[in-house]
Amino acid sequence: SQTIHQWPATLVQPVGSPLSLECTVEGTSNPNLYWYRQAAGRGLQLLFYSVGIGQISSEVPQNLSASRPQDRQFILSSKKLLLSDSGFYLCAWGVGLETDTQYFGPGTRLTVL
Amino acid sequence: AQKVTQAQTEISVVEKEDVTLDCVYETRDTTYYLFWYKQPPSGELVFLIRRNSFDEQNEISGRYSWNFQKSTSSFNFTITASQVVDSAVYFCALTEGSQGNLIFGKGTKLSVKP
Repeated sequence: SQTIHQWPATLVQPVGSPLSLECTVEGTSNPNLYWYRQAAGRGLQLLFYSVGIGQISSEVPQNLSASRPQDRQFILSSKKLLLSDSGFYLCAWGVGLETDTQYFGPGTRLTVL
Repeated sequence: AQKVTQAQTEISVVEKEDVTLDCVYETRDTTYYLFWYKQPPSGELVFLIRRNSFDEQNEISGRYSWNFQKSTSSFNFTITASQVVDSAVYFCALTEGSQGNLIFGKGTKLSVKP
């Protein structure tokens, strides 16, 4: 069966520090991978998605970036965090190119101080 | 543009009551998928159901049921005989484009009190 892991589970970082969040999927090949952010009091916002290694599409311009160095690994990064980057970051995977169900990881709660 | 509206921000019920969560969507696509997800206090989104635009049959899964009506662009979710464990935020979502990017509503927080 497929499983999705995210780490760390929680993170407290100062403004201006770098960020690296990791997501890995097990039990499937060539999944679509997604990064979402859920800010306090707001809905879920799609940040990036990837349909393959090295292929990243950005939905929202910001100081975050994403990379997919391996088939089942998705990394969210920032060189300098802003206060507004605080939130709950969720990684998701889906198989197939069109309107497929997305399965979510446990999430990372990021607080930028 | 695609949009999902969950007008109910919060709902509070007493255990064993039935509760319906509303979802209204907008899309110009003729082919689309609708979803419901549950987000318990732990934070992880749990998939509940996917329904395609060509299947308007209602679906029942245990205490959960879904009513899809294209005429009113609604995809409502009913929990029968609610339980405390049903307390969570529930999100309705719609896919757009060929990559299956989900457009989420803002969610409805359901509190079930004993």
